[in-house]
Amino acid sequence: QSALTQPRSVSGSPGQSVTISCTGTSSAFGGYNFVSWYQQHPGRAPKLIIYDVNKRPSGVPDRFSGSKSGNTASLTISGLQAEDEADYYCCSYAGSYTFGEVFGGGTKLTVL
Amino acid sequence: EVQLGESGGTLVQPGGSLRLSCAASGFTFSSYWMSWVRQAPGKGLEWVANIKQDGSEKYYVDSVKGRVTISRDNTKNSLYLQMNSLRVEDTAVYYCARVSTTRGLRSYYFDYWGQGSLVAVSS
Repeated sequence: QSALTQPRSVSGSPGQSVTISCTGTSSAFGGYNFVSWYQQHPGRAPKLIIYDVNKRPSGVPDRFSGSKSGNTASLTISGLQAEDEADYYCCSYAGSYTFGEVFGGGTKLTVL
Repeated sequence: EVQLGESGGTLVQPGGSLRLSCAASGFTFSSYWMSWVRQAPGKGLEWVANIKQDGSEKYYVDSVKGRVTISRDNTKNSLYLQMNSLRVEDTAVYYCARVSTTRGLRSYYFDYWGQGSLVAVSS
């Protein structure tokens, strides 16, 4: 069981918006705002889409946005497109708990 | 272009040993923290280990402590993961990942990933 909890699946129609939550304990988040999100298509390596809670790497569409309130981080994908169908993982630095990172269990996004 | 290429994955018996390698190119390898992240078949991602630029700091997930050693050779632009006393539950695709690092200080996300190397532990 991951220290960060995500819904196992979410779905939405093209053009709609979906939000994926990532809930953890204060120790899982380490008291830091070091939350990142990764997109993984089947058989492919993960790809960074959000870092430091709400920053987007170059090349990631602004349809992807992140936020955090208390012990819940969220990834919102607006204007859903077919190619957004993938698994999404949240990740946080856990600080002195492990001096490493902890991932959520992953959320399967289905574009209907 | 940043490239990370893992190798060394294979089928190994429980209790056996294995060394994974990751060849890095397209960036100044010695300037970055590096990590290994694994993914069991059909399961989620799990961080395994981190190593500082000069190898002076290494951190591991509890489930591999004492059995796994992360190391690097900056002269060869290579990252390694020595895995001993392998268990069935170590079966996974192992990804080499670069930790974003700016002016020598690590950030807390993985900005580039390799394609992974499959380690299967089975009798």
